[in-house]
Amino acid sequence: QVTLRESGPALVKPTQTLTLTCTFSGFSLSTSGMCVSWVRQPPGKALEWLALIDWDDDKYYSTSLKTRLTISKDTSKNQVVLTMTNMDPVDTATYYCARINTHGEYNWFDPWGQGTLVTVSS
Amino acid sequence: SSELTQDPAVSVALGQTVRITCQGDSLRSYYASWYQQKPGQAPVLVIYGKNNRPSGIPDRFSGSSSGNTASLTITGAQAEDEADYYCNSRDSSGNRYVFGTGTKVTVL
Repeated sequence: QVTLRESGPALVKPTQTLTLTCTFSGFSLSTSGMCVSWVRQPPGKALEWLALIDWDDDKYYSTSLKTRLTISKDTSKNQVVLTMTNMDPVDTATYYCARINTHGEYNWFDPWGQGTLVTVSS
Repeated sequence: SSELTQDPAVSVALGQTVRITCQGDSLRSYYASWYQQKPGQAPVLVIYGKNNRPSGIPDRFSGSSSGNTASLTITGAQAEDEADYYCNSRDSSGNRYVFGTGTKVTVL
């Protein structure tokens, strides 16, 4: 059974750096084709894709946020870490991690973690 | 453009059929996947690829695509289908992803 769980601070101050950890089980990020992604959702708003990292350590970021995001993996711990610098109140959101599955030309996000709410406030 | 546009809201009578659409240039090159999200819950995959349902998703959910538009159809909508629905695909670069603007489905 594949599971993912997000962890990190519930509250950060403006200008601080946010560090979130996605701890997963049921697969290895060193296996060819495996990929983990981060997605966020501000309260009452739509999902927004943030970043991904794959088994080959390829990393891709949202073009609008790429200067603030860094994604990394620790294969031995089955973890993916996302950092976001210079946090602002508009970054208040629930942050999800999810596995991206690929089969031929098909790609899909499944499963998802339960999400972690991060509030940015002084 | 790397945007995926959805109608903000649709309503459907119990037992009737509703189609949710997702428009974007990247859909001419990449398949969409669809996610159901109920209040306070994480998104759940309902359709991926041409028209594939994960295990546990009822067969009243189906997907299709034509040109720059992907569609999710719920045939015989149930009360439990009331939720927000999001499409997703790779963006035009092929290396990144984009989510649609979301559609709130109300079952009357």
